Amino acid sequence: GESVGLHLPTLSVQEGDNSIINCAYSNSASDYFIWYKQESGKGPQFIIDIRSNMDKRQGQRVTVLLNKTVKHLSLQIAATQPGDSAVYFCAENIGESGGSNYKLTFGKGTLLTVNP
Amino acid sequence: DAGVTQSPTHLIKTRGQQVTLRCSPKSGHDTVSWYQQALGQGPQFIFQYYEEEERQRGNFPDRFSGHQFPNYSSELNVNALLLGDSALYLCASSPQGREKLFFGSGTQLSVL
Repeated sequence: GESVGLHLPTLSVQEGDNSIINCAYSNSASDYFIWYKQESGKGPQFIIDIRSNMDKRQGQRVTVLLNKTVKHLSLQIAATQPGDSAVYFCAENIGESGGSNYKLTFGKGTLLTVNP
Repeated sequence: DAGVTQSPTHLIKTRGQQVTLRCSPKSGHDTVSWYQQALGQGPQFIFQYYEEEERQRGNFPDRFSGHQFPNYSSELNVNALLLGDSALYLCASSPQGREKLFFGSGTQLSVL
């Protein structure tokens, strides 16, 4: 999961296993959270998002869980595939949603490696 | 439907020079944000443009400036380049008021 250290956290899984990537966010007032996948040489690609009035949201093979009590976010990937290998970032919206005063603040990322 | 496009893809400059990076937002998007991503780090917010004005700014010096044009495209300018400015510069767009950002592939800037 995320850390304040200089080294990128890593997670290595076998193809077909489920993956869980964790993220601790910083601002208890954040009301929107989002996960991105970034492959080498590419920009971040949207995976799934969730608002603070929910604690779980599911997409295709992915689930995001939000625990506001401990300011923790997780991304679960079911039946992980080699194509899922990438760096995964969580981001939080610090600002007023729906207005012009908002921005996404990103964590350091987690490198997911899927072994065939 | 073209997504967010950035140019150039790669750029090499020397210290003290100036650089301009360009971004065209996704069709239908009117808000553009710029991020700097150092190697092994998450993207760091530089600033956001809407209606041709800078709306929010991150913790970056005045050497970093931008512009948004009436067609919503945007430029990022960096003056007096430092070695530490070497990074991937990402442009992201969204409809106004929407937090979900769509990113381009970035411009890799190397300062020698």
